[in-house]
Amino acid sequence: AQKVTQAQTEISVVEKEDVTLDCVYETRDTTYYLFWYKQPPSGELVFLIRRNSFDEQNEISGRYSWNFQKSTSSFNFTITASQVVDSAVYFCALSEYGGTSYGKLTFGQGTILTVHP
Amino acid sequence: DAGVIQSPRHEVTEMGQEVTLRCKPISGHNSLFWYRQTMMRGLELLIYFNNNVPIDDSGMPEDRFSAKMPNASFSTLKIQPSEPRDSAVYFCASSLRGLEQYFGPGTRLTVT
Repeated sequence: AQKVTQAQTEISVVEKEDVTLDCVYETRDTTYYLFWYKQPPSGELVFLIRRNSFDEQNEISGRYSWNFQKSTSSFNFTITASQVVDSAVYFCALSEYGGTSYGKLTFGQGTILTVHP
Repeated sequence: DAGVIQSPRHEVTEMGQEVTLRCKPISGHNSLFWYRQTMMRGLELLIYFNNNVPIDDSGMPEDRFSAKMPNASFSTLKIQPSEPRDSAVYFCASSLRGLEQYFGPGTRLTVT
């Protein structure tokens, strides 16, 4: 069975600090997808990134960066120079690649990030 | 392009009433998912469809819940009869070939 663990329930930082959100996953699949979603106070769930298990390159998008390490089954998310608008709940998720359950996401419990001015 | 559309955005109903939530997925997407989110239980997958066919409904809490997808552009989630513990935000999401899911704005359901 698949499992995603976000050990940090809540994180509080002051604006301009860097913050890393941890995500550890378990799967027996050799090929899978990993995702991060953001849920701001307005409530909608916003897709941030998808990573294929066979592509371990890290990715940077503006102030956001993702560190995928297959050896440790981790897919961590770093926000550089955090801003108040980054305050949200962040979810890490996993899905299998192909198979009968393709597309079905296993979500972590989410990390509540609060950025104070 | 339009995203996932859900209606209504808010629904307040009395216990025992039938509630129908509606979802229009992104055009061209072949998978559709219904989720429920509460403070206590977090984000739960209720049911999902691939190519309009229900694949996994193991998350549907009780027989009071039912979902249909009569065509590629429309799905409904029905609760009959509704109960106060059904109060939650219900999300619909769609995806293409198992890739990232795009979520609708959600329907906030309150059952009094």
